[in-house]
Amino acid sequence: AQSVTQLGSHVSVSEGALVLLRCNYSSSVPPYLFWYVQYPNQGLQLLLKYTSAATLVKGINGFEAEFKKSETSFHLTKPSAHMSDAAEYFCAVSDDTGRRALTFGSGTRLQVQP
Amino acid sequence: ETGVTQTPRHLVMGMTNKKSLKCEQHLGHNAMYWYKQSAKKPLELMFVYSLEERVENNSVPSRFSPECPNSSHLFLHLHTLQPEDSALYLCASSQGFRTAQETQYFGPGTRLLVL
Repeated sequence: AQSVTQLGSHVSVSEGALVLLRCNYSSSVPPYLFWYVQYPNQGLQLLLKYTSAATLVKGINGFEAEFKKSETSFHLTKPSAHMSDAAEYFCAVSDDTGRRALTFGSGTRLQVQP
Repeated sequence: ETGVTQTPRHLVMGMTNKKSLKCEQHLGHNAMYWYKQSAKKPLELMFVYSLEERVENNSVPSRFSPECPNSSHLFLHLHTLQPEDSALYLCASSQGFRTAQETQYFGPGTRLLVL
């Protein structure tokens, strides 16, 4: 069965600092991995996804994530945080065997301090 | 309208009421989803419809009844809910459901409070 662990339910960074949000997954077959962002009172928006083409995936708003099979990780990074990045971020996993729907992590709320 | 829309955005209902949540996608997609987002719990998949056929029911209580009359519309009919059903209900759609790498596009959600 698939699972996703997001370390840290809350992360706080200063404006301009590096953003690092951690995601580890468990899947018995090659996974597809996604990062979604949720702004207050809104639905989820796709930031980026890994589908086995390239291990370093670039997304919207300057975010990127690197798939590391040996570490079963897919951490999300952004070199310089902006106030508008404050939101909740969700990592999700899926694969093509059996249940193809997304399994989400519990989310990480990012605060950006001025 | 663009993307995925949901109505109402907020709903308060008593445990004996019957209400329905509506989702509409304007993306020409063939698969639609209902998720439940509760405080302190990961997003939970409730139902998946592909080409108007229910393909997944994730052990959801029968007080939640989905309906997909066509590929653009998805409803969630609610009856005799419990206070623990209070949550944000999110609808999503994707081009298809043949492969797990499909991107899902989410609506803004309906915030439900059951008194």
